[in-house]
Amino acid sequence: EPEVTQTPSHQVTQMGQEVILRCVPISNHLYFYWYRQILGQKVEFLVSFYNNEISEKSEIFDDQFSVERPDGSNFTLKIRSTKLEDSAMYFCANAGDRGTGSYGYTFGSGTRLTVV
Amino acid sequence: GQNIDQPTEMTATEGAIVQINCTYQTSGFNGLFWYQQHAGEAPTFLSYNVLDGLEEKGRFSSFLSRSKGYSYLLLKELQMKDSASYLCAPKAAGNKLTFGGGTRVLVKP
Repeated sequence: EPEVTQTPSHQVTQMGQEVILRCVPISNHLYFYWYRQILGQKVEFLVSFYNNEISEKSEIFDDQFSVERPDGSNFTLKIRSTKLEDSAMYFCANAGDRGTGSYGYTFGSGTRLTVV
Repeated sequence: GQNIDQPTEMTATEGAIVQINCTYQTSGFNGLFWYQQHAGEAPTFLSYNVLDGLEEKGRFSSFLSRSKGYSYLLLKELQMKDSASYLCAPKAAGNKLTFGGGTRVLVKP
């Protein structure tokens, strides 16, 4: 079964530092998403990305966040100046169509970000 | 916006049946997904309903009533490995999945 791969699996960073989370999507799946999950809380939508531009973003996705596909394959989430409250599990998700197919979104295994 | 309501926690015995209800309100509706999430892991796809009725897939079934804004996930012949959180996720017009807070199911021997 195709997989979405995320790196690193765990990152510890100091407050105020920049972090880049990476995702290798499924080949030919063109719809990309980032979600986050603070420990003990629900999975929250951050941003959707299609055709090299943001389709939709949530209130969480402020100016500190950005996404891009720098080499046409990897999909990255950058947090410019991390805050303590950015500590969470970040999931990349991928869909081959607009998600209306019977398999929904495929999630990567996540990056656990800890800001100290 | 979206409002999703599901119970926080349920406990059941191995071999039994459990039904997890979900009510939702969305601005536009484009299908409803159920995901399973084990602690510390990513959500994994379980089922998808876009039309009213019951979709059966092995031990798991999902039901949808669009007019009532209601869905349930039915887990039959519970196994210990079914202990996990179950996330109700309606999809609004557009392409975004929004997740409920999840129902933690604890299966006891």
